[in-house]
Amino acid sequence: GIQVEQSPPDLILQEGANSTLRCNFSDSVNNLQWFHQNPWGQLINLFYIPSGTKQNGRLSATTVATERYSLLYISSSQTTDSGVYFCAVGRGSQGNLIFGKGTKLSVKP
Amino acid sequence: GAVVSQHPSRVICKSGTSVKIECRSLDFQATTMFWYRQFPKKSLMLMATSNEGSKATYEQGVEKDKFLINHASLTLSTLTVTSAHPEDSSFYICSARDPQTGVGETQYFGPGTRLLVL
Repeated sequence: GIQVEQSPPDLILQEGANSTLRCNFSDSVNNLQWFHQNPWGQLINLFYIPSGTKQNGRLSATTVATERYSLLYISSSQTTDSGVYFCAVGRGSQGNLIFGKGTKLSVKP
Repeated sequence: GAVVSQHPSRVICKSGTSVKIECRSLDFQATTMFWYRQFPKKSLMLMATSNEGSKATYEQGVEKDKFLINHASLTLSTLTVTSAHPEDSSFYICSARDPQTGVGETQYFGPGTRLLVL
């Protein structure tokens, strides 16, 4: 099956700093999503981005499908950005997602 | 946006009992829902794909007689953990695709159910 690797596994930032999270995947996909899991466990959709670049406020994402990686950029980080960021990919018609192990982000005030 | 709810949010039960978890799509119809399991500080693992009106498709290693899935309507899927044991304690999360308003193949996730089996 498809392998999904996220890096770094842990990241500690000072409030206001910028960061880049990476997701590598081992095969072609037709679905790639970035999620933020808050401390209560809720997965929040950040981006649906199987290819190209998108921006939403302080967050942006880029997927280079031909090179099988995606990047999530967080600018001017805030303490509320803390949590685990997951990349998940999918292929096929059913739409089931395969998750990476996540990047745990801690933003310090 | 698309909203998915789960009930209950938290359940504690005795070993040997069965527990039912409901997953509802509140503002859209979902022909396909997914059930995931997450252990503490771990990633999400897909357990099964639930299709309305047909049998669920289980991932390798997931016991279908242990984790019963029913998708009787376009807005409701249920997961029943039968004869629960302490090793079944986990965080169970469902998701659904909104083919009408979702972007592409976007999946929307419920808030999860924390199961503790004593």
